[in-house]
Amino acid sequence: SYVLTQPPSMSVAPGQTARIPCGGNYSGSPGVNWYQQRPGQAPVLVVYDNTDRPSGIPERFSGSNSGNTATLTISGVEAGDEADYYCQVWDSTSDLVIFGGGTKLTVL
Amino acid sequence: QVQLVQSGAEVKRPGASVKVSCKASGYTFTGHYIHWVRQAPGQGLEWLGWINPNSGGVNYAPKFQGRVTFTRDTSINTALLELNGLTSGDTAVYYCAREYELALYWGQGSLVIVSS
Repeated sequence: SYVLTQPPSMSVAPGQTARIPCGGNYSGSPGVNWYQQRPGQAPVLVVYDNTDRPSGIPERFSGSNSGNTATLTISGVEAGDEADYYCQVWDSTSDLVIFGGGTKLTVL
Repeated sequence: QVQLVQSGAEVKRPGASVKVSCKASGYTFTGHYIHWVRQAPGQGLEWLGWINPNSGGVNYAPKFQGRVTFTRDTSINTALLELNGLTSGDTAVYYCAREYELALYWGQGSLVIVSS
């Protein structure tokens, strides 16, 4: 089954761009979903199927997937973006849902 | 609007069982899988499995096979998780989540504390 690898932490200054990688041992291109989890809150979907945004999610959040790495990009980072971010795929072969270990984003 | 409202916090003794409920509203309950995910304190997200509310079919993560049971009651649009043989390692927030286009939309979570 897939293994998704994320850096445990990243930091970025306000107004800058954060790029959070999610490396996978998969071949092909399963759709990658991204979740934001603020402290004490439930996760919220911010990007699905690699590049799509649910309604209500700011355009500052975008996603890409190339080769074996998916990336969540947050442009013009704000203090409110400080959170844990998780990538996730559905392994259709094994019918398992896989999460990355999560990246704690700190806004300096 | 779409909502998943979960049951409240529970404190259980080691070896006991716990049942967590997840009441759905704002959409057709039988139209979307419900997933269960847990998060231990300070840790990441761990998937437990899903239930198809329409058929009652389930798929459990291998780690939890034999210890977890998912059920649903379509008359009250509610999904249920039961976890048996609790240990301190099961202390976590348990989330239900509605699957939509292979992505998850989450309930507020239910804290389960296992302590003697």
